[in-house]
Amino acid sequence: GENVEQHPSTLSVQEGDSAVIKCTYSDSASNYFPWYKQELGKGPQLIIDIRSNVGEKKDQRIAVTLNKTAKHFSLHITETQPEDSAVYFCAAKSGQAGTALIFGKGTTLSVSS
Amino acid sequence: GAVVSQHPSWVICKSGTSVKIECRSLDFQATTMFWYRQFPKQSLMLMATSNEGSKATYEQGVEKDKFLINHASLTLSTLTVTSAHPEDSSFYICSASGASGDYEQYFGPGTRLTVT
Repeated sequence: GENVEQHPSTLSVQEGDSAVIKCTYSDSASNYFPWYKQELGKGPQLIIDIRSNVGEKKDQRIAVTLNKTAKHFSLHITETQPEDSAVYFCAAKSGQAGTALIFGKGTTLSVSS
Repeated sequence: GAVVSQHPSWVICKSGTSVKIECRSLDFQATTMFWYRQFPKQSLMLMATSNEGSKATYEQGVEKDKFLINHASLTLSTLTVTSAHPEDSSFYICSASGASGDYEQYFGPGTRLTVT
């Protein structure tokens, strides 16, 4: 089955700096790669996703890149703000009906002002 | 976007009792529902996958007789934790996806279970 590795486990940046979180996956059949932000006591919130037919996707300060050959994808947050502080999870799945997202272990991002 | 609700948001029960958690898709038909468990400061671990009208498929290490999953309609799935013990205390999160080929999974807000 799928295995997703995520690094780093913790990341501390100054407000305004960029943050990068990286993930690798094992199943070459995976073709959907979302990123979630989770705040304490809440369910995960989708912030951006990418499918395997695209190499990069951007939404304002957030971007995701995908390298299918190397089986890795990354989340880039620019101009970080204190409200970006949270736990971020990457995940992967194939597009087959009924398959579940498999999550990385998470990255705790702290943005200090 | 699609909305998934869970009820209750938190529950406390005594050791040995059973507790039921409901997961509803409010504005779409959920062909498949997924149940995850999350211990403090850990990731979401998939427990089981259920398709409407079919028996759930459990992940390795998850006791199907302890965690009963019912997906009787396209908008409702329930997870019953039977004979709960303190080690079952966790954050349970459901997720749902729609028609075949729909990549996105929509997550509920989670249910905090505490077993005393």
